[in-house]
Amino acid sequence: EVQLLESGGGLVQPGGSLRLSCAASGFTFSSYAMNWVRRTPGKGLEWVSGISGSGGSTYYADSVKGRFTVSRDNSKNTLFLQMSSLRAEDTAIYYCAKAARSQYDSSGYPNWSQGSRVTVSS
Amino acid sequence: QSVLTQPPSVSGAPGQRVTISCTGSSSNIGAGYEVHWYQQLPGRAPRLLIYGYKNRFPGVPDRFSGSKSGTSASLVITGLQAEDEADYHCQSYDTSLRPQVVFGGGTKLTVL
Repeated sequence: EVQLLESGGGLVQPGGSLRLSCAASGFTFSSYAMNWVRRTPGKGLEWVSGISGSGGSTYYADSVKGRFTVSRDNSKNTLFLQMSSLRAEDTAIYYCAKAARSQYDSSGYPNWSQGSRVTVSS
Repeated sequence: QSVLTQPPSVSGAPGQRVTISCTGSSSNIGAGYEVHWYQQLPGRAPRLLIYGYKNRFPGVPDRFSGSKSGTSASLVITGLQAEDEADYHCQSYDTSLRPQVVFGGGTKLTVL
């Protein structure tokens, strides 16, 4: 059974940093692209970042480019999102999501983590 | 403003049929990129319902179906049930600027 267990959310001040982790099990982690998606209060889902199965290619939404960094440790089956220079508008529930293929592309996301709340406030 | 446009809300009585639209453009749905649909119950993670326009994910009841026409896609729910009350999101891929995964703004389904 595929499981994605997320950790690392919390309350942070504007300008601060936070790192999210997503521990994967139940599948060959390095064979699938992984993504971060967030749900902001009162809005829909927003794709944030993606990374290929090998970790060699990374992708970011314009809203987070230059501030967030996605990475993965395939030896530990773990995905990371390092968030810096956080803003109030980054407040959201963050999910890690497993893609259906190894590359970042148009595939759907069959598996999601439980979500981690990130609140940016002074 | 989302690249994919969904109605903010739809509603229907138990047993009825509802349709949720997802309108895109020639750089996403119209270009042939896949459309996927998710259900998100309150306080829960999204759940994949339909992938590749019309394919039901394993375990999804056949009351849920998807289709595509031109630059739009639709999710149809028949035999509406109380437990269908949730937010529904469409997803595709857009190449107007940088290739990027995009979501619609989400639709709140209320079962009357």
